[in-house]
Amino acid sequence: RKEVEQDPGPFNVPEGATVAFNCTYSNSASQSFFWYRQDCRKEPKLLMSVYSSGNEDGRFTAQLNRASQYISLLIRDSKLSDSATYLCVVILYNQGGKLIFGQGTELSVKP
Amino acid sequence: NAGVTQTPKFRVLKTGQSMTLLCAQDMNHEYMYWYRQDPGMGLRLIHYSVGEGTTAKGEVPDGYNVSRLKKQNFLLGLESAAPSQTSVYFCASSINTEAFFGQGTRLTVV
Repeated sequence: RKEVEQDPGPFNVPEGATVAFNCTYSNSASQSFFWYRQDCRKEPKLLMSVYSSGNEDGRFTAQLNRASQYISLLIRDSKLSDSATYLCVVILYNQGGKLIFGQGTELSVKP
Repeated sequence: NAGVTQTPKFRVLKTGQSMTLLCAQDMNHEYMYWYRQDPGMGLRLIHYSVGEGTTAKGEVPDGYNVSRLKKQNFLLGLESAAPSQTSVYFCASSINTEAFFGQGTRLTVV
């Protein structure tokens, strides 16, 4: 089983839609969680960190459920510019700070 | 402030040839990582380092070696390239939170 698994894509949604991605992780010692965005095979860039209490950044909301070992990303009012691949990332501090990525979920927002 | 710089950006190798990919960061980060990305596979960790002089294996280390002789540099070596190592390689560095990535190296082994 992969250490970090994401919803299979692609997600094709119309502009203005709300879309949610889930990600599960297998290592209960995981302590830090992030969502990254990757455009057209360019380098990944941090979208937002995920905090235990949940956090919001504009149209984006991230949630963490430690008991069920999953994190989620909600995008409201989707824009064409949101089209990208979204990567779930976990840091394993008990393994020397390994940074592990999920396989990514592709989002395509259509007019 | 250049951030994370990878060289080269593109390379074509013949099977059996060797090469070294260089990753340099100017942010004084302790942690550095090498990943490969293949279609549908996401980023898979090859090797990583938690500080100068240290290295550790990631998810897919076979066929690769690394060295971290200086804090700012993390080298990825392919001793005998194979077509299965055709991929896009990304280097990253972090202070154990947000990771910053280089622009990637597209390697083709023929």
